Order: sequence, then C-alpha cells, then structure tokens
Amino acid sequence: ELKVEQNPLFLSMQEGKNYTIYCNYSTTSDRLYWYRQDPGKSLESLFVLLSNGAVKQEGRLMASLDTKARLSTLHITAAVHDLSATYFCAVGPQGGSEKLVFGKGTKLTVNP
Amino acid sequence: NAGVTQTPKFQVLKTGQSMTLQCAQDMNHNSMYWYRQDPGMGLRLIYYSASEGTTDKGEVPNGYNVSRLNKREFSLRLESAAPSQTSVYFCASTGGLVVMNEQFFGPGTRLTVL
Repeated sequence: ELKVEQNPLFLSMQEGKNYTIYCNYSTTSDRLYWYRQDPGKSLESLFVLLSNGAVKQEGRLMASLDTKARLSTLHITAAVHDLSATYFCAVGPQGGSEKLVFGKGTKLTVNP
Repeated sequence: NAGVTQTPKFQVLKTGQSMTLQCAQDMNHNSMYWYRQDPGMGLRLIYYSASEGTTDKGEVPNGYNVSRLNKREFSLRLESAAPSQTSVYFCASTGGLVVMNEQFFGPGTRLTVL
C-alpha cells in the first residue's frame, strides 16, 4: 500500500529565508505532483515530476524528484509573504493507476 | 472554459438528511474523483470514475454513493448524513496526456452536518 509522508507539517519562516519541504513515499512510483492550497480555496497544480532527477522551477519554488530514494523536495528560496499557503505532494502508484495518494500537507507561514 | 465546477458551495444538513453534491467538468476528461478534506488529514479519496459508466471505491467510501451520469458529470450522494461527514468535499478530473495524469480540482463544497 502506497503511503506518502510530508514533513514538516507546519513551517513558520521569515521573509528572505530559504527552506525545504520533504515528501517521502513508500513504494515505487513514476509520477509525483505538488499542489498549493490557499486558505478556504481549492488546490492549484504547481509541478508535475515524471522521471528520476526531474527538476522544475517557478519563481521562488523549485521541486525535484529522486525515485531511487523515493523522495521529492520543494525548495523555497528567499521566501515572501505571498508564498504562505498549504503545500501538498501527491504520488501516483507505478503502473499507470490514475489514483493519487496525497500527503497531509505542509502549512507554510511566511512572516515579515 | 469553466474547468471543474461544483454545487453547492456551502450546505448545512441535519443528521439523517440526504443530499447530492454535483460536479461537472468541461475539459473532456475521462476520469473524475471525489475527495474529502479534513483538518490534518490531507485529501482522502472517496470514489473515482475512470470513464462513463464505471466507478470504484477509494479509501473512505462508507456512507457515500456516486453516479457518473455522463462524461461531464459525477455526483456524490449522502443517503443519511452523519456528523462525521462534516468536511470539505472536492471534485477533480484528469485526462489529456495519460502520462501526466495531473488532476484539476473544483472549488469545493463545505458541508456541515448537525
């Protein structure tokens, strides 16, 4: 059974600092997704990572995937208040199943 | 394109009442999903439908039924609501390039069962 673990679950950081959110999963996968959720809103897709070593960047966020370690990271560079949100990773089981298993989310608060 | 739409946005029910949550997508996606989101629990899959006419149970199906009415619409029914079903419900869909399987989410329905 595929399990997805994110850490930390809560992250409070100062503007201008760097930090990394980790997403570990328990079985082989060939797809990993990162989503952002603002309070009271829906989920918005950030990144789709489809192969070992994949790296995607948008603005101050960079996501990477290491399928051998079963680990993805979401790195935040020089955080700004607008990045405050909850970030979810989701993993698709190998074999093309369209079901995803979501982590519990990391609630990020960026303080001035 | 509206993407994924859900109705209603908010609902309050009394224990034992029934209701149907509606979801529609205009992206010509084959697969549709219903999730519930509870504090500290992330998203948990209730049911999903890989294509019109097919449905499959997810992680937490008890107390729910679904109908894939056509390719566009996927409804979730609570036959006898319970306080434990107080949650935010999200519908999602996926399609297009199979290898991507990126899911697109609706705005959510906030349900309170008293």
